[in-house]
Amino acid sequence: GENVEQHPSTLSVQEGDSAVIKCTYSDSASNYFPWYKQELGKRPQLIIDIRSNVGEKKDQRIAVTLNKTAKHFSLHITETQPEDSAVYFCAASETSYDKVIFGPGTSLSVIP
Amino acid sequence: DTGVSQDPRHKITKRGQNVTFRCDPISEHNRLYWYRQTLGQGPEFLTYFQNEAQLEKSRLLSDRFSAERPKGSFSTLEIQRTEQGDSAMYLCASSSTNAGNQPQHFGDGTRLSIL
Repeated sequence: GENVEQHPSTLSVQEGDSAVIKCTYSDSASNYFPWYKQELGKRPQLIIDIRSNVGEKKDQRIAVTLNKTAKHFSLHITETQPEDSAVYFCAASETSYDKVIFGPGTSLSVIP
Repeated sequence: DTGVSQDPRHKITKRGQNVTFRCDPISEHNRLYWYRQTLGQGPEFLTYFQNEAQLEKSRLLSDRFSAERPKGSFSTLEIQRTEQGDSAMYLCASSSTNAGNQPQHFGDGTRLSIL
């Protein structure tokens, strides 16, 4: 079955710096890659997603890249702010409405 | 529509008891998913439905776990003879196959604590 790995497990950056989280997946059938942000005690919330027919997608300070050949995808957050502090999960799925396999998460701390 | 709702938010029970959780998806969503999340881990897939049909169950799901979605709307997840290892956050999500590429929307979860 699908396996999603994620690095680093913890990340601490100064406010205004960039943060990068990297993930790999194992199942070639995966075509949909969502990223979720989870604040302490709250539900996971989708922040951005990318499909396999696209190599890069950007939404304001957040960008995702996908290398389907290498089975790598990454999340980039620029100009980080303290409210970006949370746990971020990468995930993989065949489609947006199939079961989602999550990575173990990255705890991001943005230091003011 | 207020999104995916789950009830109860918290459940504390003794080992060996049965527990049941409820999930109400976003009304037009035909797919409903259950995930389990333990501290410091990502959500782990348990099972999912399309309308009332259960399409897949994780092989990690023991026979003590059962889920239903009898009318294709709300769903229940029951755990029989609870064990310490069942302590976790149980998350429900929903999406639609009918409205383009819809991502899964999560509820706030039910936190289960086994004494």
